[in-house]
Amino acid sequence: EDQVTQSPEALRLQEGESSSLNCSYTVSGLRGLFWYRQDPGKGPEFLFTLYSAGEEKEKERLKATLTKKESFLHITAPKPEDSATYLCAVQANTDKLIFGTGTRLQVFP
Amino acid sequence: DGGITQSPKYLFRKEGQNVTLSCEQNLNHDAMYWYRQDPGQGLRLIYYSQIVNDFQKGDIAEGYSVSREKKESFPLTVTSAQKNPTAFYLCASSMRGSTGELFFGEGSRLTVL
Repeated sequence: EDQVTQSPEALRLQEGESSSLNCSYTVSGLRGLFWYRQDPGKGPEFLFTLYSAGEEKEKERLKATLTKKESFLHITAPKPEDSATYLCAVQANTDKLIFGTGTRLQVFP
Repeated sequence: DGGITQSPKYLFRKEGQNVTLSCEQNLNHDAMYWYRQDPGQGLRLIYYSQIVNDFQKGDIAEGYSVSREKKESFPLTVTSAQKNPTAFYLCASSMRGSTGELFFGEGSRLTVL
């Protein structure tokens, strides 16, 4: 069965304290892995697409990486405005998009 | 500015009533989607449409209905047959061939009293 698991469920960081969020997956034929950011009470905002193992994408303090079994979202020197829930989604070869339950990140000044 | 507009943002409904959630996009996207978000669960697909006058059921279509009469509009009706309708509903759109890169609306929170 296709599955996406995100960890940890919640993460509290001090401003400037770098860390990583994990998205592990088991799908039949990966077509793409997607990261989203969601602020409370709002819709998700698309961040990155990764297609193959070894690929990396960067945007400001965020860097997403992909292996054959998991993806990491690295946050370097986070700021309070990075606080949000980060969602991972995987597209299998059936075209179906499977979302993880997200990691809620809180960054304190 | 291009985007997706959902309305209403908050909606209260009595049991047994149908309610329709609006979704309009001006991104010129072919595909539109409705997702449901519940605490502790990933987004679940209700219905999607790749082209005008055509739509398909997602994973949790029971108790919901949609229409796609215009490219810009994809309204969702939550019927009285939906057993647990209280949730956060998200509409999204994408370009053809980019089904993982979704543009989401701000969401509609439905509460059944």
